[in-house]
Amino acid sequence: QKEVEQNSGPLSVPEGAIASLNCTYSDRGSQSFFWYRQYSGKSPELIMFIYSNGDKEDGRFTAQLNKASQYVSLLIRDSQPSDSATYLCAVWVFSGGYNKLIFGAGTRLAVHP
Amino acid sequence: NAGVTQTPKFQVLKTGQSMTLQCAQDMNHNSMYWYRQDPGMGLRLIYYSASEGTTDKGEVPNGYNVSRLNKREFSLRLESAAPSQTSVYFCATETGANSPLHFGNGTRLTVT
Repeated sequence: QKEVEQNSGPLSVPEGAIASLNCTYSDRGSQSFFWYRQYSGKSPELIMFIYSNGDKEDGRFTAQLNKASQYVSLLIRDSQPSDSATYLCAVWVFSGGYNKLIFGAGTRLAVHP
Repeated sequence: NAGVTQTPKFQVLKTGQSMTLQCAQDMNHNSMYWYRQDPGMGLRLIYYSASEGTTDKGEVPNGYNVSRLNKREFSLRLESAAPSQTSVYFCATETGANSPLHFGNGTRLTVT
């Protein structure tokens, strides 16, 4: 089992809709969770982080964390074509004797007008 | 404030050639990282440095060496490049334990 798993997509949503991106992780001890956005040919950009169970909202973005189910999600409301990018889920895990930030392979989101 | 600066942006090497990827940060962060990104594989950790003078292997260290010259700079060296090292390389810094990483703009390396 991969340490951080995401559906590769593409996830296609119409403009104005809610995009829902999902991520599962294997380390029950993980405490810190991040969502990065990566446009093609660019570096990852942090858009959300969450440490506690429940929801965290920032503008059009909502991160949801359920530690019991080892599940973290990102909702994007009122999706715009400019949201079209790959979204990377990242989780701090303790593995191989050290803490490391593990990334999922990413979900490609396409928002069409 | 440049943040994390990587050089070069692009590089083409022939098999067996060597090169050093440079990374410098002006954010005064202790920890620095080198990742590679390949299609469908996500970001994989090559090496990291928790502080000046210390370096440790990540998930995919084979074929690479690193040097943490001072707090600002963390370089990645390929001694004998192989086509399997064709990738996009990202340097990143960490603000503190279990905190997010901040990435440089990346180096796109092609080995023929």
